[in-house]
Amino acid sequence: NFMLTQPHSVSESPGKTVTISCTRSSGSIASNYVQWYQQRPGSAPTTVIYEDNQRPSGVPDRFSGSIDSSSNSASLTISGLKTEDEADYYCQSYDSSNPRVFGGGTKLTVL
Amino acid sequence: EVQLVESGGGLVQPGGSLRLSCAASGFTFSDHYMDWVRQAPGKGLEWVGRTRNKANSYTTEYAASVKGRFTISRDDSKNSLYLQMNSLKTEDTAVYYCASAPPFDYWGQGTLVTVSS
Repeated sequence: NFMLTQPHSVSESPGKTVTISCTRSSGSIASNYVQWYQQRPGSAPTTVIYEDNQRPSGVPDRFSGSIDSSSNSASLTISGLKTEDEADYYCQSYDSSNPRVFGGGTKLTVL
Repeated sequence: EVQLVESGGGLVQPGGSLRLSCAASGFTFSDHYMDWVRQAPGKGLEWVGRTRNKANSYTTEYAASVKGRFTISRDDSKNSLYLQMNSLKTEDTAVYYCASAPPFDYWGQGTLVTVSS
């Protein structure tokens, strides 16, 4: 089984840009798509990025996803930060044996 | 509008059973793989299991932590997904979400299961 490692927390000011990383422990990050979820307090997760870098309809283009094979990691970048972006963010990927593997989550504080 | 609505959560004693349901609407349920994902209080997301669609013989897979105790089923005629949970343990306490599998990745609002004596 592989693991996805995220920073426990990040913080940034409104209007700035923040990047959250997600590092895969084994197997290539590029071999299987990565999804990103936003979870506000008391709410269910919602998809903000699917298939590495695709945004569902309704998700603002301030959210973007990418992968970096050299570091075997994926990243979620949020630009023009708003207070409403304050939430927990989870990355997720898979392999042939594990349909869904989640990262531990990153708490984003917008202060 | 895509909707997934879970029900059936509640308080159950260790060793007991519970059946969760998930009612789907707004999309062609029968086409999609469906997952159960849980979240223990104050913790992260944990995949519980998956059922594939008819074209893939409704095959199922489970996380090691629930294999042999939990069973996922679906009724495409009712647009419904189920999770039968047996031999429940205190560590199964969590909010349980149903979700359509990526890339068509929608989640319900969750239902709380508390396993306690």
